[in-house]
Amino acid sequence: QTVVTQEPSFSVSPGGTVTLTCGLSSGSVSSSSYPSWYQQTPGQVPRTLIYTTNSRAPGVPDRFSGSIVGNKAALTITGAQADDESDYYCLVFVGGSFVFGPGTKVTVL
Amino acid sequence: EVQLVESGGGLVQPGGSLRLACAASGFTFRTHYMGWVRQSPGRGLEWVANIKPDGSLGHYVDSLKGRFTISRDNAKDSAYLQMNSLRAEDTATYYCVRWGYDYAVDVWGQGTTVTVSS
Repeated sequence: QTVVTQEPSFSVSPGGTVTLTCGLSSGSVSSSSYPSWYQQTPGQVPRTLIYTTNSRAPGVPDRFSGSIVGNKAALTITGAQADDESDYYCLVFVGGSFVFGPGTKVTVL
Repeated sequence: EVQLVESGGGLVQPGGSLRLACAASGFTFRTHYMGWVRQSPGRGLEWVANIKPDGSLGHYVDSLKGRFTISRDNAKDSAYLQMNSLRAEDTATYYCVRWGYDYAVDVWGQGTTVTVSS
């Protein structure tokens, strides 16, 4: 069974840059995995940020960007703001199924 | 306004069944893939199932095949999740979602909570 990997947590200073990654326990994430990214603050409904690797959903600030870095999908927050403090989940299509990563908790301080 | 509203959650005993419903509005329901995503308390998101726009094919996470069934009624702009043989580990908030992007969710419902406990 394919396991999606994400960093458990990251800390970033206000105005700083952080890159979260999304990989596979076996194999690579590529554009053919259609990686997407979701933001969720505690008690709230998830919000779609990025789809098909690097397309921003409507209303998402351009400080959020998606890419493929090496064999992983990546979400970069450039110029982090206090309200970016959230959990971030990636979703990939692999082996004919959709799999979410375990999430990365981002702290802005 | 595009909206998904779930209903049907609640408390159910282990081994019981529950049917969740998702009422869609604000878009042409019959042209979109729909699905369900769940989140257990304090845990991450888990994809549960998707269904094609015409309802002809459902696709499930392997661990739930045989217990959960996704369906839709395009005449009622609604999707459903029939959950049988429920277990404690099925306790979660269940989100109805629209797959409006290629292989990605673009719209989320507010969620409905299912608690499996005796």
